[in-house]
Amino acid sequence: QQQVKQSPQSLIVQKGGISIINCAYENTAFDYFPWYQQFPGKGPALLIAIRPDVSEKKEGRFTISFNKSAKQFSLHIMDSQPGDSATYFCAATRNKLVFGAGTILRVKS
Amino acid sequence: GAVVSQHPSRVICKSGTSVKIECRSLDFQATTMFWYRQFPKQSLMLMATSNEGSKATYEQGVEKDKFLINHASLTLSTLTVTSAHPEDSSFYICSAQGTSTDTQYFGPGTRLTVL
Repeated sequence: QQQVKQSPQSLIVQKGGISIINCAYENTAFDYFPWYQQFPGKGPALLIAIRPDVSEKKEGRFTISFNKSAKQFSLHIMDSQPGDSATYFCAATRNKLVFGAGTILRVKS
Repeated sequence: GAVVSQHPSRVICKSGTSVKIECRSLDFQATTMFWYRQFPKQSLMLMATSNEGSKATYEQGVEKDKFLINHASLTLSTLTVTSAHPEDSSFYICSAQGTSTDTQYFGPGTRLTVL
């Protein structure tokens, strides 16, 4: 049973545009929601994370929006750059991480 | 920042042999370490969770006798793939988590190819 649903599977954005990736979860016991960035052949790197008592968190060009009642959260990448091209995973955790399926982002220059 | 290393980064072995992968937290003490495997173009699948000094907890469907995990210190965990077969070929990634935090920091991964 997939507990974290992520969309879209892939995304193409023009340089300077906004990339938006969405996730939805089922388990209301989850209490920590990180986003990871992964380049080919590398391990995931933590980008930004949020707890359900906060509706939005911003770090540089990356923003998480969190809607507790809808059980949804999203990642916004502002001013997207070619170097942002990677696979992005949302995740949710209580005691262990449950990952979304991933979104392959390509930023066209 | 928190740094996690893995060794080796790549390994090729013959079918039937065993392979050991090391995971180290370099600048913090990891009370819990996790082992994942990732197939091409797929997400990460948790294999097992290990706490320092305790037996690992394996996820459903993961053979504990095939994937031996040892977490002997607060900075080192090892995964041994015993009697490896071609279907064990995958990208194995560890992560480490410190005390009183939910954040997992991932290693760079180990590409295992079994011939």
